[in-house]
Amino acid sequence: NAGVTQTPKFQVLKTGQSMTLQCAQDMNHEYMSWYRQDPGMGLRLIHYSVGAGITDQGEVPNGYNVSRSTTEDFPLRLLSAAPSQTSVYFCASSYSLFLDRPSSYNSPLHFGNGTRLTVT
Amino acid sequence: DQQVKQNSPSLSVQEGRISILNCDYTNSMFDYFLWYKKYPAEGPTFLISISSIKDKNEDGRFTVFLNKSAKHLSLHIVPSQPGDSAVYFCAASEGDDKIIFGKGTRLHILP
Repeated sequence: NAGVTQTPKFQVLKTGQSMTLQCAQDMNHEYMSWYRQDPGMGLRLIHYSVGAGITDQGEVPNGYNVSRSTTEDFPLRLLSAAPSQTSVYFCASSYSLFLDRPSSYNSPLHFGNGTRLTVT
Repeated sequence: DQQVKQNSPSLSVQEGRISILNCDYTNSMFDYFLWYKKYPAEGPTFLISISSIKDKNEDGRFTVFLNKSAKHLSLHIVPSQPGDSAVYFCAASEGDDKIIFGKGTRLHILP
């Protein structure tokens, strides 16, 4: 199992350019999400999906689009990159967050190793 | 509006002693709490979790305590080891599908 794979590892964009950050998981997880990590800000949820065809907004969704056409893939699209989107982006997946709750929680998020994006 | 707060950006602890990382939350609807550990250039990894129906959960050297009335949880690491040096994130969810993270605490284990 590769787990959660993110590509690319590094990317530099100019303001206004668009790009897609790829995320794929091979664990048959229903739930997938995107976070960004900024200094002093921790991990902030951008978008998430509870299954193929279903997506929803997190804490900081503006400037990003997502889609979930398959269980395995959850790409994050920047339509017009801005310097404020310079960050490290993490994709994460798990089985349904409702599984076995609340008596036990054995389905934690599995994170990829991140994509470091710089927008100049 | 920060729902999960880790007020200590960093913490230094002598090897072999107890490390205590703290987390406060504001949303009384949170019913699940988790701790994640992160090394540089890697994604966070799950450490331990606790349901709101419990007040303590142990896994080896790691214990999480939950005080619902104070909206406070803590992670105890005993004994602390050099490999525990990392950033620790507290996280919470409220029964929907979002997991909200705090800003993290950097733990330094001193030799």
